[in-house]
Amino acid sequence: SQQGEEDPQALSIQEGENATMNCSYKTSINNLQWYRQNSGRGLVHLILIRSNEREKHSGRLRVTLDTSKKSSSLLITASRAADTASYFCATDGTGANSKLTFGKGITLSVRP
Amino acid sequence: SAVISQKPSRDICQRGTSLTIQCQVDSQVTMMFWYRQQPGQSLTLIATANQGSEATYESGFVIDKFPISRPNLTFSTLTVSNMSPEDSSIYLCSVKGGGSYNEQFFGPGTRLTVL
Repeated sequence: SQQGEEDPQALSIQEGENATMNCSYKTSINNLQWYRQNSGRGLVHLILIRSNEREKHSGRLRVTLDTSKKSSSLLITASRAADTASYFCATDGTGANSKLTFGKGITLSVRP
Repeated sequence: SAVISQKPSRDICQRGTSLTIQCQVDSQVTMMFWYRQQPGQSLTLIATANQGSEATYESGFVIDKFPISRPNLTFSTLTVSNMSPEDSSIYLCSVKGGGSYNEQFFGPGTRLTVL
């Protein structure tokens, strides 16, 4: 079963607007990672946030993590048409042999 | 970050045949993973392949259907055996490590269509 659950499932915005995507999970994590996937291609790693971090930035991306609520958010500022893609959150557990578990994904459409 | 390549990038196969997918990494990594992504779905882990040992399969996946080789620390293969249309998916190779914080990276995927 999926660990992460993203919402909304689909998001459509105008170019230049900000896009916020949320992810909730159920069990303790070591880290949470966000990925982008364009048109059924491979996954591009966007950002990793560790369980002891609350916020992380990378370019136009801002990720927050609230371990008390078991949730994370990905903010893309000043969106571009090229940001149109599916976005996945994935959680890595705390065990030595932990495996990355993915949410269902969010489809983001950025209208030019 | 680790750079991962996969071959083939896509294939169309007849039912009952088998396809072997290759995964090459530009650095030595201990843990390699194979995932499946069915159309419109998220990623599901098939198995973990560590060099020098047999692959560990997740529930619902068996070695007879998805045999895996891991001959060294930079290469792995996944075979999809006796294919049926239900095997039509994107198959992705993945490695952990090579980044600052044990990020997990993915290859470009192999898009398989079974007729």
